[in-house]
Amino acid sequence: DQQVKQNSPSLSVQEGRISILNCDYTNSMFDYFLWYKKYPAEGPTFLISISSIKDKNEDGRFTVFLNKSAKHLSLHIVPSQPGDSAVYFCAATDAGGTSYGKLTFGQGTILTVHP
Amino acid sequence: EADIYQTPRYLVIGTGKKITLECSQTMGHDKMYWYQQDPGMELHLIHYSYGVNSTEKGDLSSESTVSRIRTEHFPLTLESARPSHTSQYLCASSGWKVGADTQYFGPGTRLTVL
Repeated sequence: DQQVKQNSPSLSVQEGRISILNCDYTNSMFDYFLWYKKYPAEGPTFLISISSIKDKNEDGRFTVFLNKSAKHLSLHIVPSQPGDSAVYFCAATDAGGTSYGKLTFGQGTILTVHP
Repeated sequence: EADIYQTPRYLVIGTGKKITLECSQTMGHDKMYWYQQDPGMELHLIHYSYGVNSTEKGDLSSESTVSRIRTEHFPLTLESARPSHTSQYLCASSGWKVGADTQYFGPGTRLTVL
């Protein structure tokens, strides 16, 4: 049972344009969401997070939007840079419940930013 | 941000060998995790720990074992490696606070069992 889904395996964007990565979840107990970036043969790097009490969180070029009614979140990268090319993972947890910080990850989306 | 280290980064080993993957963090985090990831797939939690002498199995069944004798150290051991154990193993840690918590990852160990 895939509780966190990233339905787009890959995304290709031109440098300078906006990249939008999407993530859907099914578990209504999830209340904290994170995005990680991963290069091959390296560990994931934390990018940005959002609590369910918010619908938007911004950090530099990265903005995460949360639509609780649709159980959907998205990561916007503006402007996209070639160095952003990596695999992006969405993750979720029941921070206020019994999961004690355990994360559930999506399958990842490969972002390629062309110069 | 947590400083978290994993050794070795790459390991190629024959079937039947015993291996230990090392993970250490210097931030004093109470919680530590081991994930397994195959190419193109999500990260699967295989072990976690909430503190010294605490270890639990994760969502994905694994033949590996872990120990947590010191706060900073969370090694993973495979008693008899098999080709099916070939994967990337990622260690993570997070602080102890009620509510939202961010996990920080080490660089990973790429294990190949021949």
